[in-house]
Amino acid sequence: GAVVSQHPSRVICKSGTSVKIECRSLDFQATTMFWYRQFPKQSLMLMATSNEGSKATYEQGVEKDKFLINHASLTLSTLTVTSAHPEDSSFYICSARDLTSGGASNTGELFFGEGSRLTVL
Amino acid sequence: AQKVTQAQTEISVVEKEDVTLDCVYETRDTTYYLFWYKQPPSGELVFLIRRNSFDEQNEISGRYSWNFQKSTSSFNFTITASQVVDSAVYFCALSEEPGGYQKVTFGTGTKLQVIP
Repeated sequence: GAVVSQHPSRVICKSGTSVKIECRSLDFQATTMFWYRQFPKQSLMLMATSNEGSKATYEQGVEKDKFLINHASLTLSTLTVTSAHPEDSSFYICSARDLTSGGASNTGELFFGEGSRLTVL
Repeated sequence: AQKVTQAQTEISVVEKEDVTLDCVYETRDTTYYLFWYKQPPSGELVFLIRRNSFDEQNEISGRYSWNFQKSTSSFNFTITASQVVDSAVYFCALSEEPGGYQKVTFGTGTKLQVIP
C-alpha cells in the first residue's frame, strides 16, 4: 500500500538552531500534505496544510514564521522549525492523502508518516 | 465545528479479557468519515478502520470489531481476547469532507494497557 516516510525520525538540536523535517509520499503523488504536532500523552493537533506549489494554510495559533512549510514537489513537503527552543520539543507527524486509493468513492486513503521526535536542548 | 471525545483516558485489562474503547463525535455535516488509529510506543500511527457516515453496518476484523451508531453519534471499538501486543494509545478521528482535503480531527486518545 501507499507509504509516507519521514526523515529524520529523531533529532536533537541546540536552542536557536533550525531543524528541517522531510515528509515524502513514496509511491503516490500528494498535492496536499498535513503536518501534526503531538505533545507527550496528548492528541495530534493539526498545525498546517501543505499545498504543492502554493503557500501552506496554517491553523489558528500556529506561527507561520516559526514553522516554515515548503511543498516543492508532488512527493515532498518539508517542515522547518526555525530558531528552535525547548518548548518546540515535540513529536511531529505528517500525513498525505492518496486520492487513487479511494475506489469508487474517490475519497482517498490518508497515510501517516512514522513521525519525527524533536528534542531541543 | 467537528469534535471527537474519548472519555476513557487509560484502561487496563488482563490478557484475554475483552475491552471496549468509546468514541463520541460531533459534526454538522451529513457526510463524514470516522477512523480508528493505533499508536504503539514507537510512535507511528497505524490505520485500523475507516467508516463513512452512510454505512452503519458493524464491522469485524479478527479480534477487532466496531459499532457505529449514528443515533448516539458513537463509534466504539472492541478488542476481543486482548493481547499484550494490543497495548498502545488508540485514537478515534473524524473527517467532515472526505472527498476534499479537509483535516482530520483526533480525539484525545485512550491508552490501553494489557497486563499479562
